[in-house]
Parts: sequence; C-alpha cells; structure tokens
Amino acid sequence: GQQLNQSPQSMFIQEGEDVSMNCTSSSIFNTWLWYKQEPGEGPVLLIALYKAGELTSNGRLTAQFGITRKDSFLNISASIPSDVGIYFCAGTQGGSEKLVFGKGTKLTVNP
Amino acid sequence: GAVVSQHPSRVICKSGTSVKIECRSLDFQATTMFWYRQFPKQSLMLMATSNEGSKATYEQGVEKDKFLINHASLTLSTLTVTSAHPEDSSFYICSARVLRHGYTFGSGTRLTVV
Repeated sequence: GQQLNQSPQSMFIQEGEDVSMNCTSSSIFNTWLWYKQEPGEGPVLLIALYKAGELTSNGRLTAQFGITRKDSFLNISASIPSDVGIYFCAGTQGGSEKLVFGKGTKLTVNP
Repeated sequence: GAVVSQHPSRVICKSGTSVKIECRSLDFQATTMFWYRQFPKQSLMLMATSNEGSKATYEQGVEKDKFLINHASLTLSTLTVTSAHPEDSSFYICSARVLRHGYTFGSGTRLTVV
C-alpha cells in the first residue's frame, strides 16, 4: 500500500530547542494528521489538517498541509522534556477511510 | 469528547487459548472501527476494518479465522485472537473515526502469549 516517508527517523535535542519533522508522499492525500505516542499507549491526536495550505497551531505545535497535498510538516517550538515520544504522521487518500501511517520520528529531549 | 476505551491494557495468556480485546466508543457512535497491530519500534499496521452489523474487512495477509472481529453495536467492537501463539504477542490498538476530530485511538492492549 501507499507509504508515507517520514523524516527524520529520530532526533536528539536539548530542552528549549525547536523541532521540525515532515512527511512526504508520491501521491495526494485528503487529510493529514499528526499523532504522538508514548510507550505502552495508543497514539494521541495532536493536529488534524483537512485543506491544502492549511496551517494549524496547537500550543507550541504547528503543522501545515502542503499546497501540493503530498506533504506535511510538524514543528514544535521551545521543546520540553515531556515532548519525548514518537510522532507519527498519518493521512487518508481518495474515498478511503483507512489511515496510512508514516514510520514515526522518535524525539528525545535532553534537560 | 471522542474517547475510545480499550480493555484490557495488558493480558498474558497460554499458547492455544483465545483472548478477547474490547473497544468501546464512550461518547459517540462508531459505525466503523479499525484494528491495528504494532511491533516494537515500528509503526501501526492496519489489520482490519470493523463495520457495525456486517462482516469485517481484513487487510491482505491477516488471517480472519485467527483474528475474529465482531462489531455488534454502534459503541462496541471486539477482537478475539484465537488459538494464540507466541508470535501473536504484540501491541493491539483500535481506533474510530470522529467527524472533524480525526481518528481517536484506544490506549492499546499488550498481549503476551507464553
């Protein structure tokens, strides 16, 4: 099936730094969703994007739905230790309700 | 709002036995739920789509006789791992689509087959 290319695979940053991660695809997506998953838990929705060009913020998080509908990025500003976790992008295509997931970005924040 | 409750969170069972995992939508009705499997350090892999009142749709390579899915009401979907074996040990997660809220996930079930 269609895969989302998510990068980077992992990040090691200092507390207070900004973070940026992105997902790209060779085909068009209708929605882009960004989730955070902590160990032993299910993914938690951070931001949902529904329109090309849409830029949405949720506290220190900002995400954008690319104009071409083939990419999305997530930025985290002024990182804190509790930002640690695995971030996944996900999206839907065509008329399908199935979510396609990226492989995740593991974020480590050093105090 | 839009909470999906998944139980149990952890289960250990003996080889050959069956395990049932429940997923409930607490404050909304879910005509469709999705079941995922996640291996350590990997992404979520869709196993099947559960449809209320009809048969589930399984992804290619997923054994429907081993992973029985029942979606008997608008608020409950269950996944039964039948005749479990150690290779079935994994993290299983359900989710439901909520209009304008994306997809809400349960908290997952860690299955260990010994």
